[in-house]
Amino acid sequence: GAVVSQHPSWVICKSGTSVKIECRSLDFQATTMFWYRQFPKQSLMLMATSNEGSKATYEQGVEKDKFLINHASLTLSTLTVTSAHPEDSSFYICSARDRGRRDTQYFGPGTRLTVL
Amino acid sequence: GENVEQHPSTLSVQEGDSAVIKCTYSDSASNYFPWYKQELGKRPQLIIDIRSNVGEKKDQRIAVTLNKTAKHFSLHITETQPEDSAVYFCAASTGGYQKVTFGTGTKLQVIP
Repeated sequence: GAVVSQHPSWVICKSGTSVKIECRSLDFQATTMFWYRQFPKQSLMLMATSNEGSKATYEQGVEKDKFLINHASLTLSTLTVTSAHPEDSSFYICSARDRGRRDTQYFGPGTRLTVL
Repeated sequence: GENVEQHPSTLSVQEGDSAVIKCTYSDSASNYFPWYKQELGKRPQLIIDIRSNVGEKKDQRIAVTLNKTAKHFSLHITETQPEDSAVYFCAASTGGYQKVTFGTGTKLQVIP
């Protein structure tokens, strides 16, 4: 149980294009999902908290217009990197909180984004 | 906001020895402390967690201790094995549906 999927697992795009990453909780309902960014050999940096049916809460320094988050259902949150640039290249990981087990976070497998 | 510090950043131990990773946190309201293991290119996996109402928790070769007064908690791995090699992250949260703040990570290498 408590499986989180993420799609795509990797993507390469040209500078200026937009990329959408999906995060799904497969066997539980997640009222809250989190999006992280991880650079090589570094820790997970929280970008935003995604709440089902409401606007995402962004961390300080994260551009909400560049990283669009939508949490349309209890099992799906999406992160869209708009007008991507090479500096946006990173490993993006989502996590989801089980509605019935509020403390525990389950992570997706991550998406490797490379912007050329 | 919460600040979590983690030491050491790298740790090498011989197979069979113990490994200890230490973390401190700043927000006295934090009451949930998970530990994650992340292998290269993979997702973080929860290995153990502890809540503030207990001082120690053990699961086979892994144990976590918590000192709320000093605001620090530690991960102990006994009888280390090569498959324990990974990056370990501590984290702290005020619990419930609040966000989790991660430490900077410890790269553990277990030498056969």
